[in-house]
Amino acid sequence: GAVVSQHPSRVICKSGTSVKIECRSLDFQATTMFWYRQFPKQSLMLMATSNEGSKATYEQGVEKDKFLINHASLTLSTLTVTSAHPEDSSFYICSARVGSPNQPQHFGDGTRLSIL
Amino acid sequence: AQKITQTQPGMFVQEKEAVTLDCTYDTSDPSYGLFWYKQPSSGEMIFLIYQGSYDQQNATEGRYSLNFQKARKSANLVISASQLGDSAMYFCALMDSSYKLIFGSGTRLLVRP
Repeated sequence: GAVVSQHPSRVICKSGTSVKIECRSLDFQATTMFWYRQFPKQSLMLMATSNEGSKATYEQGVEKDKFLINHASLTLSTLTVTSAHPEDSSFYICSARVGSPNQPQHFGDGTRLSIL
Repeated sequence: AQKITQTQPGMFVQEKEAVTLDCTYDTSDPSYGLFWYKQPSSGEMIFLIYQGSYDQQNATEGRYSLNFQKARKSANLVISASQLGDSAMYFCALMDSSYKLIFGSGTRLLVRP
């Protein structure tokens, strides 16, 4: 149980393109999902908390207009990197929490984004 | 402010031996949780073990155990009988009253045959 699916796993695209990444909870409902960014050989940094039916909460320093988050259903959150540039190249990974807030977050397999 | 520290950037262990990965934390919240995740080279984050701040006993999950020393604010992960498949990055994470996870910088573990 507690499977989180993330798609696509790998994206290579030109500068200026907008890229959408999907995060789905396959066997449970997730009112809250999280989006992280990880640079090579570094730790995960929380970008935003995605709440079903309401606006996402962004961490300090994360541009909400650059990283659009939509959590339209209890099983799907999307992250859209708008007008991506080479500096947006990174590993993006989502997670979802099952049950009460202090339960473990279960992670998707991540998306490796490369902007040329 | 909440902080989590992993001081070992890399560790080696011989196959079948035990290894301890260090993690210290700092938080002013009386209620918090500590998590360990494993990240293989493929990138996915695999949940290993959880310790709540009010848990009286150290958490154990199979070959993983957590050496929780609350007064010292440490939550070290012990992996017993290491296997080649244990080679990966290991992240310690703190969850406080905000319910957000704050990750440490990670330790890369390499298991030698």
